[in-house]
Amino acid sequence: DAGITQSPRHKVTETGTPVTLRCHQTENHRYMYWYRQDPGHGLRLIHYSYGVKDTDKGEVSDGYSVSRSKTEDFLLTLESATSSQTSVYFCAIRNRGGGDYEQYFGPGTRLTVT
Amino acid sequence: GIQVEQSPPDLILQEGANSTLRCNFSDSVNNLQWFHQNPWGQLINLFYIPSGTKQNGRLSATTVATERYSLLYISSSQTTDSGVYFCAVNSGNTPLVFGKGTRLSVIA
Repeated sequence: DAGITQSPRHKVTETGTPVTLRCHQTENHRYMYWYRQDPGHGLRLIHYSYGVKDTDKGEVSDGYSVSRSKTEDFLLTLESATSSQTSVYFCAIRNRGGGDYEQYFGPGTRLTVT
Repeated sequence: GIQVEQSPPDLILQEGANSTLRCNFSDSVNNLQWFHQNPWGQLINLFYIPSGTKQNGRLSATTVATERYSLLYISSSQTTDSGVYFCAVNSGNTPLVFGKGTRLSVIA
């Protein structure tokens, strides 16, 4: 357990509304990631952060923004949700232990856009 | 970017059987991880194995970095082994890139 929580765990929202998902970690990890998982696509990176206020885009960043104002929280925002953003969203951290950089995942948030 | 291919995409086993899952990657990596996603959607770390061989109970993994592949062995499979197995790789400080997974169903 890498001390990662995500909120909410489930959300149903309407097309066009803004949505913010939160990832919270308790172990001061520098790197945090947002992925989405869709059938047939595995996990695809949306955005990641390598420190407070330091973020970068991933493979599927269009329609998403992120913010990291403190180490423990990484927020993913859908400015105007669309049905194509219905997915399961996973947050992850990268843990350095003994020289290895191992990635761990949170429990996921299931988002449905109607 | 790095491409990751996993095979087979689907696998059905009788309980007690052994299996081998394969992960091929297109470029040099310094991190390779295997994950199991259980039927409840939770992603569980199995191995961190950029090279060499590791074992954990009935599971073992081998990565041959020079030939750009990794194998995950499951012996004496149980119904609780069902789910999707993902391989993921990266190099340097880049984020992990995932394969599309192998869906395993173990039948009692």
